[in-house]
Amino acid sequence: DTEVTQTPKHLVMGMTNKKSLKCEQHMGHRAMYWYKQKAKKPPELMFVYSYEKLSINESVPSRFSPECPNSSLLNLHLHALQPEDSALYLCASSPGIPVTGYGYTFGSGTRLTVV
Amino acid sequence: KNQVEQSPQSLIILEGKNCTLQCNYTVSPFSNLRWYKQDTGRGPVSLTIMTFSENTKSNGRYTATLDADTKQSSLHITASQLSDSASYICVVRPGDNFNKFYFGSGTKLNVKP
Repeated sequence: DTEVTQTPKHLVMGMTNKKSLKCEQHMGHRAMYWYKQKAKKPPELMFVYSYEKLSINESVPSRFSPECPNSSLLNLHLHALQPEDSALYLCASSPGIPVTGYGYTFGSGTRLTVV
Repeated sequence: KNQVEQSPQSLIILEGKNCTLQCNYTVSPFSNLRWYKQDTGRGPVSLTIMTFSENTKSNGRYTATLDADTKQSSLHITASQLSDSASYICVVRPGDNFNKFYFGSGTKLNVKP
């Protein structure tokens, strides 16, 4: 299995809703990432989990709450979002060890619309 | 400052023609550089990955080059197809932080019939 699977593919939520995005990989990667991507822009890093521990939080608002239940799963819990949070949310994974020749494997993304 | 710059920002070519996309980086120390293709609204898909010891790598009609001395990479697309229309993103991994990757802003390629 060489894929990163994200669910759902599309999500529409109101500003008072609570929802979660899910990401799963079975490649044995020990680093997992959440990115936010607005139209015509490169992905912006939100969070990095390394060996199931949060290692990077790029000053993301608390309405986004990441969780890494185990080495294969990564969640992003959403609460009280704003319309400007509408974007493509990408999950990625990497081996997480200093091995040359490795980069990210991305999921296909969740298209989030906040209404 | 670690940066990745891509050019051109956008490109329009006719189907069947070749094109070359550029990526210049200042990331140091360097570990690897990867080219991704991203269709609108989808996740990036890896095309090639190159380490400092590799000069050229091909994946079908895609050929990437790397000059680690000048810190430049290019992606050459041969005999373009309509399905090549996408954004192409250059991502550089530093050698001193394996959880940090640097993204270029991408080149938007439009292949017209």
